[in-house]
Amino acid sequence: KQEVTQIPAALSVPEGENLVLNCSFTDSAIYNLQWFRQDPGKGLTSLLLIQSSQREQTSGRLNASLDKSSGRSTLYIAASQPGDSATYLCAADNQAGTALIFGKGTTLSVSS
Amino acid sequence: DTAVSQTPKYLVTQMGNDKSIKCEQNLGHDTMYWYKQDSKKFLKIMFSYNNKELIINETVPNRFSPKSPDKAHLNLHINSLELGDSAVYFCASSQQGFEGYTFGSGTRLTVV
Repeated sequence: KQEVTQIPAALSVPEGENLVLNCSFTDSAIYNLQWFRQDPGKGLTSLLLIQSSQREQTSGRLNASLDKSSGRSTLYIAASQPGDSATYLCAADNQAGTALIFGKGTTLSVSS
Repeated sequence: DTAVSQTPKYLVTQMGNDKSIKCEQNLGHDTMYWYKQDSKKFLKIMFSYNNKELIINETVPNRFSPKSPDKAHLNLHINSLELGDSAVYFCASSQQGFEGYTFGSGTRLTVV
């Protein structure tokens, strides 16, 4: 059964820092791994999708990597800004590839 | 144009009532989902439908009944609401196995 773990649970950094959010998953036979952002009281915004044949994806200041063999993904945020403050969720397919299984998220706070 | 739309956005109701949440997607995806986000913000899959066929039913009480009249719609009906049903319910869709998931903005259900 797929399980997704995110470390750390919370992170506070000053503006301008580069940071890494970690995600690990137990079943490496995934089709997709997806990173989302959730602002308080809001829905989920997709940030990056990494398909199983890919090793990384980039969008602006965000870079996500995927290492299926070790069951790990990282989300790298460059030059963090206060507007990056949110909860970041990592999700990987379940064993059948029929649903995304979520981690509990990393809540990021960027201070100005 | 909203890709995955849920209604209502907020729902406050008394214990014992029956309520429905509606979801529609205009992305042409073949699979739709219901997720529940509890008070600890953990997102958990409830149901998955592929082309109107139930694929996943994750140990959800029988009081919850999804209905998919066509592949663009997935509604959630809840009978005999309980206090513990209070949560945010998210609808999502995907083209199975090949694209990322797109989430609706959520329905905040409060049972009093």
